[in-house]
Amino acid sequence: GAGVSQSPSNKVTEKGKDVELRCDPISGHTALYWYRQRLGQGLEFLIYFQGNSAPDKSGLPSDRFSAERTGESVSTLTIQRTQQEDSAVYLCASSLATGMNTEAFFGQGTRLTVV
Amino acid sequence: GNSVTQMEGPVTLSEEAFLTINCTYTATGYPSLFWYVQYPGEGLQLLLKATKADDKGSNKGFEATYRKETTSFHLEKGSVQVSDSAVYFCALKGSPSTPLVFGKGTRLSVIA
Repeated sequence: GAGVSQSPSNKVTEKGKDVELRCDPISGHTALYWYRQRLGQGLEFLIYFQGNSAPDKSGLPSDRFSAERTGESVSTLTIQRTQQEDSAVYLCASSLATGMNTEAFFGQGTRLTVV
Repeated sequence: GNSVTQMEGPVTLSEEAFLTINCTYTATGYPSLFWYVQYPGEGLQLLLKATKADDKGSNKGFEATYRKETTSFHLEKGSVQVSDSAVYFCALKGSPSTPLVFGKGTRLSVIA
């Protein structure tokens, strides 16, 4: 597609439920990032898929969070047993390569509200 | 680990005022440095970047110079416009295998 697409754009879920957030990166982009942006806060790194290398999962805040990526296409971020502190905007970004200088292109994000 | 510290906002300026948003970083080696901008209702987008010491990135009248001696990458614009109102994020990439690391963002409001 023309840009990074995320779905759903908004998600309201009850505490304790599982949610799946989807990211469709730009075609051909080998690198994919997930970030979390709490209200009024900066971007908190979650996970980094870098082509065929093992993903960097160092930012995942707990074992309730997991992410997968199928080849160089779609990625899914799963949050199990959601808590109210999980409420945030979840941003996905992709870049053409994993190099130092390549621009990351961001989606519009998924706003998750846990009630 | 790698980190970025940028000045707290919000920053409110009158149109045509001079803008500086400070950004300092901590990293081993030679990171690449970026400024991203998030306009109201839009996704983050790259504003400018610099990949080695003394490089100056520039775009849309904004400039930032990679200063290794002070580990800084301050964003400047000589004359801001109302349309520059946005949240600005400083970021670095330490190596190909490490993720982009962002600062907390600085909200800029420009009033006519």
